[in-house]
Amino acid sequence: GESVGLHLPTLSVQEGDNSIINCAYSNSASDYFIWYKQESGKGPQFIIDIRSNMDKRQGQRVTVLLNKTVKHLSLQIAATQPGDSAVYFCAERSQAGTALIFGKGTTLSVSS
Amino acid sequence: SAVISQKPSRDICQRGTSLTIQCQVDSQVTMMFWYRQQPGQSLTLIATANQGSEATYESGFVIDKFPISRPNLTFSTLTVSNMSPEDSSIYLCSVLPGTGELFFGEGSRLTVL
Repeated sequence: GESVGLHLPTLSVQEGDNSIINCAYSNSASDYFIWYKQESGKGPQFIIDIRSNMDKRQGQRVTVLLNKTVKHLSLQIAATQPGDSAVYFCAERSQAGTALIFGKGTTLSVSS
Repeated sequence: SAVISQKPSRDICQRGTSLTIQCQVDSQVTMMFWYRQQPGQSLTLIATANQGSEATYESGFVIDKFPISRPNLTFSTLTVSNMSPEDSSIYLCSVLPGTGELFFGEGSRLTVL
């Protein structure tokens, strides 16, 4: 699989590989984190979220890891498919009921 | 969850004109937000649209340039005033129906010539 330690704007993988997308967040007081997927011409779509009292959460083919010590968030996609090709954004919330603050996106390209 | 409809989905406008974007939600929501996404960039929060009161703007965004209305819990408008080519962006409406994720509309893609 393909993994990156620091945020990179693009990530290219082969179909079937595992993908890891990284994100650094800014506010140590943030208590909620979320990953969105944005396909071309569409609005962001929810993938998975995690609260600050957890360090790992799994969904269907996706896992989010939270490292509060270094303010780092990652998204792991298992068995990446061409349909996973999109831009992925992490976002954080510092206070309940407020808006999300978005990080830089990573463009994931999956080739067959 | 929430379903959000935005109009227009895209538009091409002339410099110096203004455009109003509408956002309609299929359920009543307290929290509604407007974001801007410049070409190839991430999402930047413009303001929180408050029902029955003035919107709360983020640093770098002002009411004169981006007036917002929120007449009820299902509808909001964002106006981009006196447009310049630098305003060419996707403008996104989003809502927070619960305590978790934001739901987004498909966005309004604005090109200013």
